[in-house]
Amino acid sequence: DSGVTQTPKHLITATGQRVTLRCSPRSGDLSVYWYQQSLDQGLQFLIQYYNGEERAKGNILERFSAQQFPDLHSELNLSSLELGDSALYFCASSGGGGAEAFFGQGTRLTVV
Amino acid sequence: GENVEQHPSTLSVQEGDSAVIKCTYSDSASNYFPWYKQELGKGPQLIIDIRSNVGEKKDQRIAVTLNKTAKHFSLHITETQPEDSAVYFCAADLLIIQGAQKLVFGQGTRLTINP
Repeated sequence: DSGVTQTPKHLITATGQRVTLRCSPRSGDLSVYWYQQSLDQGLQFLIQYYNGEERAKGNILERFSAQQFPDLHSELNLSSLELGDSALYFCASSGGGGAEAFFGQGTRLTVV
Repeated sequence: GENVEQHPSTLSVQEGDSAVIKCTYSDSASNYFPWYKQELGKGPQLIIDIRSNVGEKKDQRIAVTLNKTAKHFSLHITETQPEDSAVYFCAADLLIIQGAQKLVFGQGTRLTINP
């Protein structure tokens, strides 16, 4: 158990809909990262938050947004969903500044 | 930006033999190189990491080597066991500003241990 909690584990939704994925980082970790993993693909960095502020952005679509709340949990919002958004979405947390990153178990999103 | 190349994409070895996975990175500013193991249906699990001030690190049957001059690092698994079968990812950390880092991952190696 990495200490990073993601909910829900599975999500099935229709095209055009909006979903919210939730991540609770390890106790004491200030940084939260979101990654997307498509079928048989590597891990694509989406966005990083550090202590409530956006710090780094990757290949995140404009239809996607994220935020980190004062209690340090984070949410990834995916809107106007397309079939191609079906993937595993992982959250990771670290202490920040080059510390080890630990991943949650992921949310498997299926868009039908 | 940082680019990480990982080889091979698939690797099959006999139980008890050694497995080696290699990665190269492009940004000389990278200082942290973790390796993750991902089993089916699970999230990536950190198994070992190395920082740029160290050339080699060992943890039981797993070792990682780093050549900063050549910008490549490798994962070595000795005396492989069936439970080592998984997808392995290397990564390079790019520290953007204080408190902001980005882990760039290789494409993964699917390791199969044959009994």
